[in-house]
Amino acid sequence: DIQMTQSPSSLSASVGDRVTITCRASQSIRDYLNWYQQKPGEAPKLLIYAASSLQTGVPSRFRGSGSGTDFTLTISSLQPEDSATYYCQESYSILFFGQGTKLEVK
Amino acid sequence: QLQLQESGPGLVKPSETLSLTCTVSGGSISSSSYYWGWIRQPPGKGLEWIGSIYYSGSTYYNPSLKSRVTISVDTSKNQFSLKLSSVTAADTAVYYCARQLRVPSFVDYWGQGTLVTVSS
Repeated sequence: DIQMTQSPSSLSASVGDRVTITCRASQSIRDYLNWYQQKPGEAPKLLIYAASSLQTGVPSRFRGSGSGTDFTLTISSLQPEDSATYYCQESYSILFFGQGTKLEVK
Repeated sequence: QLQLQESGPGLVKPSETLSLTCTVSGGSISSSSYYWGWIRQPPGKGLEWIGSIYYSGSTYYNPSLKSRVTISVDTSKNQFSLKLSSVTAADTAVYYCARQLRVPSFVDYWGQGTLVTVSS
C-alpha cells in the first residue's frame, strides 16, 4: 500500500499570510496527487488535481506543486474562509488519503 | 447539476451487514468517463477510501477492507450500493458516495454523507 504523510498536522496563520502544507508518498506516484479542502459538516471539495492543476472555480491563491514523492499545497494571502482541513490523495493506486492538515486562520 | 444522495439505515448492530445505496441524479451512471466510489470518515478523523465501481461492474477495493466489502451497480436505477459485512464499532463513520473521474483520477462530486453508527 502507498502511505501518504502530511505535515504539519495542524497550523495557525493570520489573514494575508502564505502557508505551505506538505504531502509525502511512500513511493513515487509521479504527478498522481490531488488536494481537497473540507470544512466542518461538509463533504470535501477538490482544489487541485494532477499535482498542480487548479480545479475550475477554485481561487488562484491555491497552488499545488511537486512530483514523485514530495508535494506541496501553497495558499497565498490567506482568507478567513480558508479555515478548514486539507487532505492530499494519491490517484496512482487505490486513492489513499493523507491524514489531513487542520488550518486555522486567525 | 449532478447530485448524489446516500440512503440506508443510520444504526447497524455489531456483526451485521451495513448496506447503503447512492442515487445519482442529473447525470448517467453509465458514463464511460467515471467510476463511482464510497469513502468514509469516522467522527473527528480523516478520510478513508473504501472502493469504486465502473458502470460495467468492475470494482476495486481498499485492501484493508476488501474481505468485507461489496460494491454493486444498478444502471437501470442509476444507483450503486455498498455492503460492509461483520461490522464493529470501528466502522462507525460518515459514509460518502462520490463520482470519480477516470483519467486523471479525482473525485469531483460528493454526496452529503450519511452517519452510520454501529451499536447494539
